[in-house]
Amino acid sequence: GDSVTQMEGPVTLSEEAFLTINCTYTATGYPSLFWYVQYPGEGLQLLLKATKADDKGSNKGFEATYRKETTSFHLEKGSVQVSDSAVYFCALSGNQFYFGTGTSLTVIP
Amino acid sequence: NAGVTQTPKFRILKIGQSMTLQCAQDMNHNYMYWYRQDPGMGLKLIYYSVGAGITDKGEVPNGYNVSRSTTEDFPLRLELAAPSQTSVYFCASSPQGSPYEQYFGPGTRLTVT
Repeated sequence: GDSVTQMEGPVTLSEEAFLTINCTYTATGYPSLFWYVQYPGEGLQLLLKATKADDKGSNKGFEATYRKETTSFHLEKGSVQVSDSAVYFCALSGNQFYFGTGTSLTVIP
Repeated sequence: NAGVTQTPKFRILKIGQSMTLQCAQDMNHNYMYWYRQDPGMGLKLIYYSVGAGITDKGEVPNGYNVSRSTTEDFPLRLELAAPSQTSVYFCASSPQGSPYEQYFGPGTRLTVT
C-alpha cells in the first residue's frame, strides 16, 4: 500500500544554516505530495505542495521538488530562522491520505 | 472564515466516562477526518467521512464512534474512556480526496485518568 517514510529527528541547527529533511514515498498511481508544519500547541498547517512529477512547491523560503524517479519530496531551506522551529510532516494523497511520523526541528540563535 | 473548529480545547476524563469531541467546518468540504497524535508520534487516522451519511474506519477506530448527519459537523464519540485514549485529537477537512490538501483544526487535548 501507499506510505511515506520521513527522516527521523530531532534536528538541531544554528540560525542561517541550510536545512534538508528527507521524505520518500511508496505509491501506486500518481499521488499529490505535501509538507505540513506544526508549531507548538497548534494544529498542522499546509506549508507547500506538489501535484505532479517535477513540480516544485515553495513557501516562506522552503522548497520541495516532486521527484518521481527517486520517489522523493525532500524539504529544503537555505537559511533557517529561530521561528522555523516546529515539527514538519511529509504527507501523500493517493487513494487515502498518509502522513510521515514528523521531524522535529529546533533552530538555535 | 472560521475554517475547522474543535471543542473543547482541553478535557480530563475519568476511566469509563464518555464524551463527544465536536468538529465543525464552514468551507463546505465533503471530506472530514479524525486523527489522534500521541506524544512524539505522527498522526493516526481514526475515522473519516466522504460526505454526509457516509463514514468509514481508519487505522485505529477501536473505542470510538462517529456520525456525519450534516456536511458541516463530524463529532467523535468516546465510549468507556481508557488511559490509552490519552492523546491530542485533530479534526481535518478537504474538498475532495487527491490532489486536495487537508485543513486542520487546533486540536483537543484529552487526558484519561
